[in-house]
Amino acid sequence: GAVVSQHPSRVICKSGTSVKIECRSLDFQATTMFWYRQFPKQSLMLMATSNEGSKATYEQGVEKDKFLINHASLTLSTLTVTSAHPEDSSFYICSAPTSGNSNQPQHFGDGTRLSIL
Amino acid sequence: AQSVAQPEDQVNVAEGNPLTVKCTYSVSGNPYLFWYVQYPNRGLQFLLKYITGDNLVKGSYGFEAEFNKSQTSFHLKKPSALVSDSALYFCAVRDINGNNRLAFGKGNQVVVIP
Repeated sequence: GAVVSQHPSRVICKSGTSVKIECRSLDFQATTMFWYRQFPKQSLMLMATSNEGSKATYEQGVEKDKFLINHASLTLSTLTVTSAHPEDSSFYICSAPTSGNSNQPQHFGDGTRLSIL
Repeated sequence: AQSVAQPEDQVNVAEGNPLTVKCTYSVSGNPYLFWYVQYPNRGLQFLLKYITGDNLVKGSYGFEAEFNKSQTSFHLKKPSALVSDSALYFCAVRDINGNNRLAFGKGNQVVVIP
């Protein structure tokens, strides 16, 4: 079945560091990918829609300069948390639909646990 | 806007007993509904979906869900729960604009007691 690989699985770094998270579709092409943020025992909050070859679409309240998204190829989207601070600590998850058909489920990466000291 | 609600916080069930996780929806038009499961420190895994057709949908790991239009519900069920079913369960609905965006419920922690 379709697989989405997310890397790294865990990051611990100092405040002020920029952190890049990769999301890859391994056996299908994804013109669209989604980035979510999840707080402990809470639901997924959609941050942005990553679009291959064009600018990402950010949800209201999400700082685009803080959370940089690049979707340079049909199999890779990256999320960079710039100058991360402790309040950015969270679980970040990406997902991708296998086709433009909205009947199909999305496939999720295993998430990245980001801890900013 | 499309939305789903999961009214319970935690569902406790004894191993071997039936498991039900509730979900109600609010949509314009026909709903595209999904259930996902999340294990600790992992992403979400797809369980099942309702798009059209039979109201009873069968999915992975012995789970099923019943679409009820009159009650605007899509409850997830399993006849006999296993300890390994302990996880976080999310109901989701597809965005009306057909752009593949999902709106998730708050999630339900399921605890299956041995």
